[in-house]
Amino acid sequence: DAGVIQSPRHEVTEMGQEVTLRCKPISGHDYLFWYRQTMMRGLELLIYFNNNVPIDDSGMPEDRFSAKMPNASFSTLKIQPSEPRDSAVYFCASSFTRGGRDEQFFGPGTRLTVL
Amino acid sequence: ELKVEQNPLFLSMQEGKNYTIYCNYSTTSDRLYWYRQDPGKSLESLFVLLSNGAVKQEGRLMASLDTKARLSTLHITAAVHDLSATYFCAVDVPNFGNEKLTFGTGTRLTIIP
Repeated sequence: DAGVIQSPRHEVTEMGQEVTLRCKPISGHDYLFWYRQTMMRGLELLIYFNNNVPIDDSGMPEDRFSAKMPNASFSTLKIQPSEPRDSAVYFCASSFTRGGRDEQFFGPGTRLTVL
Repeated sequence: ELKVEQNPLFLSMQEGKNYTIYCNYSTTSDRLYWYRQDPGKSLESLFVLLSNGAVKQEGRLMASLDTKARLSTLHITAAVHDLSATYFCAVDVPNFGNEKLTFGTGTRLTIIP
């Protein structure tokens, strides 16, 4: 298996622009997570889905952030409009809970820079 | 609110030495995970500890879990340079099933030749 796939790997944009991050989870996994990592705040859970349904979005910082999972193999995290304080590494992770171990497998991340 | 604390936050040690990283958490949980992150890279799963008293070992790393003390340790034996990385523990959040994790702040480990 190719693991969790994220695109783009790097994104540089200007303040006010829309940014869309993409994630393909590991096939067969039923949970998908979006995290944000910064030096100041560490690793923060933004939102997670179970079987394509959003379960908890309490970590989404504000209405500028939105996430969708239209099917089991694809999710997006959108920021509109973007701001410099959104600069961070965004990770997508997936897990398979019926196996008992429930460990999350992380993608390579998208490094977002908002100028 | 579940709190997960790691100590030390930074650790610099010489090759060949032994050391332990500690992970304390504030509420009942019986699942704990250890991850490794190299600079500029993603998080890699190291250990999954699923019950009180669980011990897992891989190479020079050994992880253990004491759910009664709400404590997990990651022990490094005879450290080598390629173990330099940031290590995170993560605990599942009670009442949310096993799918939502709270991560510690991480321990940045530097092995000095």
